[in-house]
Formats: sequence, structure tokens, C-alpha cells
Amino acid sequence: DSGVTQTPKHLITATGQRVTLRCSPRSGDLSVYWYQQSLDQGLQFLIQYYNGEERAKGNILERFSAQQFPDLHSELNLSSLELGDSALYFCASSVVGTGATEAFFGQGTRLTVV
Amino acid sequence: TQLLEQSPQFLSIQEGENLTVYCNSSSVFSSLQWYRQEPGEGPVLLVTVVTGGEVKKLKRLTFQFGDARKDSSLHITAAQPGDTGLYLCAGALTGKAAGNKLTFGGGTRVLVKP
Repeated sequence: DSGVTQTPKHLITATGQRVTLRCSPRSGDLSVYWYQQSLDQGLQFLIQYYNGEERAKGNILERFSAQQFPDLHSELNLSSLELGDSALYFCASSVVGTGATEAFFGQGTRLTVV
Repeated sequence: TQLLEQSPQFLSIQEGENLTVYCNSSSVFSSLQWYRQEPGEGPVLLVTVVTGGEVKKLKRLTFQFGDARKDSSLHITAAQPGDTGLYLCAGALTGKAAGNKLTFGGGTRVLVKP
């Protein structure tokens, strides 16, 4: 158990809809990352938050947004969903500033858009 | 072009054979991590290397960080079916502007046949 909790584990929704994925980081971790992994693909970095503020942005679509709340949990909002958005979405957390950035991943949310 | 290039993309070997996976970049990393991911699960951190030339061993797995901190290798001795999975390298770029964002390679899918 990595200590990172993601909900829900599975999500099936229709095209055009909006969903929210939730992530609770490990206790004490201030940094949260979101990644997308399509079938048999590598991990694509979406966005990183550190202590409530956006720290880095990757290939995140304008239809997607995220935020990190004062209690450090994070949500990834996906809107106007398309079939191609079907993927595994992972959240990871880490302690920043220790000299080595080690990320600990949740179990992921499998999103299926039909 | 990915910042971290992993090779090979796919490796199929017999139980008992050795294998090496490479992770290369033209950028310098402050640290580099190796993860293993099993189907439907989140990546699990195997090791972190931070010093150029560093070698770390984890049972049958040997990890090496290049002298210039631009590349790394993972060597598995006497591979077993339990080593099957997707191996991912990830690096944190140097410099404050890098924001401690982890960049992942495309992954190497390893299949160890009994």
C-alpha cells in the first residue's frame, strides 16, 4: 500500500459528460502529480500541484483542470469527454525538497468513455 | 521526442536469462528512479539513484546511474516470471525551474516466460 488513495477505481461515462477524479496523497506529502496512461502506453504527465499551487503543467488538455485543496487532496476534472479520453489516470505524491523526488502512486482510476 | 528514451520497448526472455534495460537522455538529472508496473496497478518505486556512477543492488536487480547523470541501466540476473511487468525510469531535472517534476520514459515491457 503506497499510502496514496484514488477514487473511484472505475468510472464509465458517456461522451460529452464531465467527471471528477479524487486523490488523497500520502500523509506529509505536499506535492501531487496527475498522469494519464492509455492502453499499453507510458505515463503522460498532466499537471503537478505543490501545497495548493500549480507547480508544473504537462500535456493537459484545456477540457481538463485540476486543483489541490487546503487539506492537500487533489481533484482532476475532465469535461466534454471524448472516446479518446478513456485511460488509466494516476495520482502520485511526493515530498519535495529532499534532494530526490520519489513519487508514490495510487492504484489509479480507470475511465471508460462510451 | 521523449526527454527520457528507454530501450528496448519490449523484451521477451526465458526464465533464468539475464536482461538489461536502458534509460537515456541528453539532459542532466538530479535523481533518477526506476519503477515497475503490473497490469491495472500503479507503478511501484524500486530504487532511486542520485550520484553519478552510483550502483545499487536490489536482490537480482542492479541499477546504475551514468557518471554524467544523463543515463541509467537496470540489469536483472536470472530473471523469473515474477519479474514480468512494465519497467519505467523517471528523472527529476536539475535546477529550481524544473520544479521537481518527474519525467517518465516510455517504458520497457518485460515478459519472462517459464
